Amino acid sequence: GQSLEQPSEVTAVEGAIVQINCTYQTSGFYGLSWYQQHDGGAPTFLSYNALDGLEETGRFSSFLSRSDSYGYLLLQELQMKDSASYFCAVRDTNAGKSTFGDGTTLTVKP
Amino acid sequence: EAGVTQFPSHSVIEKGQTVTLRCDPISGHDNLYWYRRVMGKEIKFLLHFVKESKQDESGMPNNRFLAERTGGTYSTLKVQPAELEDSGVYFCASSRKTSGKNTEAFFGQGTRLTVV
Repeated sequence: GQSLEQPSEVTAVEGAIVQINCTYQTSGFYGLSWYQQHDGGAPTFLSYNALDGLEETGRFSSFLSRSDSYGYLLLQELQMKDSASYFCAVRDTNAGKSTFGDGTTLTVKP
Repeated sequence: EAGVTQFPSHSVIEKGQTVTLRCDPISGHDNLYWYRRVMGKEIKFLLHFVKESKQDESGMPNNRFLAERTGGTYSTLKVQPAELEDSGVYFCASSRKTSGKNTEAFFGQGTRLTVV
């Protein structure tokens, strides 16, 4: 079966750095994606790691270790607008579909 | 470039009725996916179209769900007859490719379905 684990909730203050971890067990692995979703909105693509290492996109970075079946999303210089749900998702075939985690609700406080 | 659009945004129907959800993917995206999120849990895969063909429908819960993508453009997802457990948010996503770079999926706003 496929399973992904990520924390259900994380709270941090403005300006801080937060790391959201994701561990996975899947029958196949082609890459790990991260999505952001604000209440009532569409999940928005943030990053994709197919190979081990760190991918940086502005204030957001994503890391992958395939040997550990582990990845994380790092958010720096947190802003109030970063309060949202964050999903990790594994692409377990080459056909494009993804298996999602339950999501992490990030609350940024002043 | 217009994003993925879904219609309706909300639907409330009675158990036993039929509902049809529509998704218009981004123009030029051959890959179209349907997902749903039930009771605030994970976003679960339903099926994947490549153009008009069903590439993978392993996530479809039962034969009350029927998805079509005639002509390889927009797609519909019909639930008939609807049951209470079908309530949730149905997302559509599209992508240009499935391998290499630029494979990210773009999601629509979702249709919130409530079966009463």
